[in-house]
Amino acid sequence: GNSVTQMEGPVTLSEEAFLTINCTYTATGYPSLFWYVQYPGEGLQLLLKATKADDKGSNKGFEATYRKETTSFHLEKGSVQVSDSAVYFCALTTNSGNTPLVFGKGTRLSVIA
Amino acid sequence: EAGVAQSPRYKIIEKRQSVAFWCNPISGHATLYWYQQILGQGPKLLIQFQNNGVVDDSQLPKDRFSAERLKGVDSTLKIQPAKLEDSAVYLCASSLVVAGVDTQYFGPGTRLTVL
Repeated sequence: GNSVTQMEGPVTLSEEAFLTINCTYTATGYPSLFWYVQYPGEGLQLLLKATKADDKGSNKGFEATYRKETTSFHLEKGSVQVSDSAVYFCALTTNSGNTPLVFGKGTRLSVIA
Repeated sequence: EAGVAQSPRYKIIEKRQSVAFWCNPISGHATLYWYQQILGQGPKLLIQFQNNGVVDDSQLPKDRFSAERLKGVDSTLKIQPAKLEDSAVYLCASSLVVAGVDTQYFGPGTRLTVL
């Protein structure tokens, strides 16, 4: 079946540090890949997505590249801010449309000033 | 564009009581999902609707959970009777398929505490 594995948290970084959150997946076919972010007390917000191999999703300084050869979709940001403190979820859907998301367990990021 | 609305935001009940959650999806979104997010875990699908029909309810504990989406717009999720392990955040999402890609948008969730 389809599954997503992401690095265990929590991750604590100083402001302006480089961020990487690892995500690997197992899926049949060619999934679409997503990163969602959940700020304290709020629902999930779509951060970025990629729908085919070698696509790069980007938003708010975050990037992730769909790597089919390594079945990975690692999230990166060059310089984190305190406001980036949140829980980040990697997720996939199969590429047939109208299918539920399969999520990883989430990685909590804390950025300190 | 208005987002996915959910109510209530918080609910505290005792075990064996009943509770209902409401969701109003983004206008025009035919597909609606209910997910359960237990503390420290990623969300897991409970049920998926396409318009007012059920597409997937294989993970819904049907002995206590029920859901409906009358008229293909709003949806309600009910738990009767609640158990301690039902304490979680219940997320509603709606989606639109564009160019074969299904992008889901989530509401703020309802945090349920069962005592």
